[in-house]
Amino acid sequence: DQQVKQNSPSLSVQEGRISILNCDYTNSMFDYFLWYKKYPAEGPTFLISISSIKDKNEDGRFTVFLNKSAKHLSLHIVPSQPGDSAVYFCAASNAGNNRKLIWGLGTSLAVNP
Amino acid sequence: ETGVTQSPTHLIKTRGQQVTLRCSSQSGHNTVSWYQQALGQGPQFIFQYYREEENGRGNFPPRFSGLQFPNYSSELNVNALELDDSALYLCASRPGGGATYYGYTFGSGTRLTVV
Repeated sequence: DQQVKQNSPSLSVQEGRISILNCDYTNSMFDYFLWYKKYPAEGPTFLISISSIKDKNEDGRFTVFLNKSAKHLSLHIVPSQPGDSAVYFCAASNAGNNRKLIWGLGTSLAVNP
Repeated sequence: ETGVTQSPTHLIKTRGQQVTLRCSSQSGHNTVSWYQQALGQGPQFIFQYYREEENGRGNFPPRFSGLQFPNYSSELNVNALELDDSALYLCASRPGGGATYYGYTFGSGTRLTVV
């Protein structure tokens, strides 16, 4: 049972445009959501997070939106750069499970020059 | 500050053997988690240690075991290796074991191949 779902295995965007990566979850107990970026042969790198008490968090070019009623979050990257090309993972956690991360399958983003 | 370092980076083992993977957590981090990432999948939680005590475990059999040391470094041990254990093993650390939450810092992983 996949509690965190990233339904788009891949996404391709043009440099300078917006990248939107989507994530859905099923467990209403999740209270913290994170996005990680992963390059081949490297571990995941923390990108941005959002608490369930917020609906938006912004950090530079990266913004995460949370819609609790729809159990949906999205990561917006504006403007997209070729260096953003990587696999993006959505992960969720809650205090009740000692903050272990439940991960989606990832979305491979390709930003074309 | 140093990040999370894992050793070895690559490892090939034979089915039935035992393996130990090592992790040095980031300075100041007392919570360490281990994840298994199979090809094309997201990481799967194996277990977590906080101040040398296991405080969370995923759906992995008992032949997956771990340790955390007083300096907060950690080991993952896998006995009786199976072909399906072939994966990237990730170690992650963070400060604090309670409700205060910070993003995990991940190591680059150990690529284990079981033949």
